[in-house]
Amino acid sequence: DGGITQSPKYLFRKEGQNVTLSCEQNLNHDAMYWYRQDPGQGLRLIYYSQIVNDFQKGDIAEGYSVSREKKESFPLTVTSAQKNPTAFYLCASRLQGNNEQFFGPGTRLTVL
Amino acid sequence: AQSVTQPDIHITVSEGASLELRCNYSYGATPYLFWYVQSPGQGLQLLLKYFSGDTLVQGIKGFEAEFKRSQSSFNLRKPSVHWSDAAEYFCAVGNAGGTSYGKLTFGQGTILTVHP
Repeated sequence: DGGITQSPKYLFRKEGQNVTLSCEQNLNHDAMYWYRQDPGQGLRLIYYSQIVNDFQKGDIAEGYSVSREKKESFPLTVTSAQKNPTAFYLCASRLQGNNEQFFGPGTRLTVL
Repeated sequence: AQSVTQPDIHITVSEGASLELRCNYSYGATPYLFWYVQSPGQGLQLLLKYFSGDTLVQGIKGFEAEFKRSQSSFNLRKPSVHWSDAAEYFCAVGNAGGTSYGKLTFGQGTILTVHP
């Protein structure tokens, strides 16, 4: 079955540690996105990538980094510079020429 | 810059009652508009979308939405709500061109509670 996989579903880290969230898609989609979701704030865009080896900052990129070495993968690293990293993180992908985004199941990150 | 406002943070309806969730957008051209639904702890599922053409759009699970350009609105409706419709609903506007093509801006979400 085609879809978007995010792992793990729950992630716990100590303050000051970097952590990488995985996002894989087998939909052959070109563009991929990372969102952060906090209660009452909707989804806010962190980073996005339209093609392999290229990505752009979204609205809240500070304290995060990404890479796009393969079409199917778009990992997100939450660095120690992110002041409030505890949140629900959602990955999405989109086929070129289509404006619709498909979402993964999300990863809930808790920093202790 | 584009933006989306969902004026209602939380709505409660009785099962079988009709539902309307409000969405107002700001965008400089003809918008691409979406409604997504999210169950607790899950990802988002697309309910329906508007790109062009007929301003009344039918979606999954019996939902529909109407695009009203004069009011900059894209309200979501359902004639009879089921208990399984309880979830959070997000309206979004999409970039229709340029280097940000496909980028979505989301509203804050509306939580729907359904009473038996």
